[in-house]
Amino acid sequence: DAGVTQSPTHLIKTRGQQVTLRCSPKSGHDTVSWYQQALGQGPQFIFQYYEEEERQRGNFPDRFSGHQFPNYSSELNVNALLLGDSALYLCASSSLSGSGYNEQFFGPGTRLTVL
Amino acid sequence: AQKVTQAQTEISVVEKEDVTLDCVYETRDTTYYLFWYKQPPSGELVFLIRRNSFDEQNEISGRYSWNFQKSTSSFNFTITASQVVDSAVYFCALSEESMNDYKLSFGAGTTVTVRA
Repeated sequence: DAGVTQSPTHLIKTRGQQVTLRCSPKSGHDTVSWYQQALGQGPQFIFQYYEEEERQRGNFPDRFSGHQFPNYSSELNVNALLLGDSALYLCASSSLSGSGYNEQFFGPGTRLTVL
Repeated sequence: AQKVTQAQTEISVVEKEDVTLDCVYETRDTTYYLFWYKQPPSGELVFLIRRNSFDEQNEISGRYSWNFQKSTSSFNFTITASQVVDSAVYFCALSEESMNDYKLSFGAGTTVTVRA
């Protein structure tokens, strides 16, 4: 049973560029959440997708956008990259409508470096 | 406001010692869930334990145990007889059941180093 997968593993971009990160949820899961983890900090919630719609959003600017596809996979897009966007981006999936009861299973993350 | 506070930044122990990680949370919800995750150097967050707000029974699972006390809003986690493989960053997290709030709120993490 494949767990949560993310691609790419690492990415280097320059300021002002745009980036797309991808996530495939664990089999049987229908909800995908994205988190940003800066070095030495805990993960911060970006947004969550369920039934192909953004269900909840954290305190992130509109430069951060996402999408969920009919097969439940998801993309995170970041426009106009800033140096401060350098972080580990974690995708998490959950099941049963993503209620708080169900633990979120995390992928290995994408390490984004903005130069 | 920080919803989850992990006051310990780093803990270093010798193998076979017990390690207790502190977590204090803040919520107005009556229904909520608390979690502990482990993040080894590889970066992937690994789920360890979950507790809901209605169940204060403390349990032991292998070398892991936890102490949930609603009166002090604490959810402490203990690793018994630590091993080198336990070296990682440990995060406490809170999920609140209030309408339309599905996110996990994480603490800043505690780095545990177990020396052989």
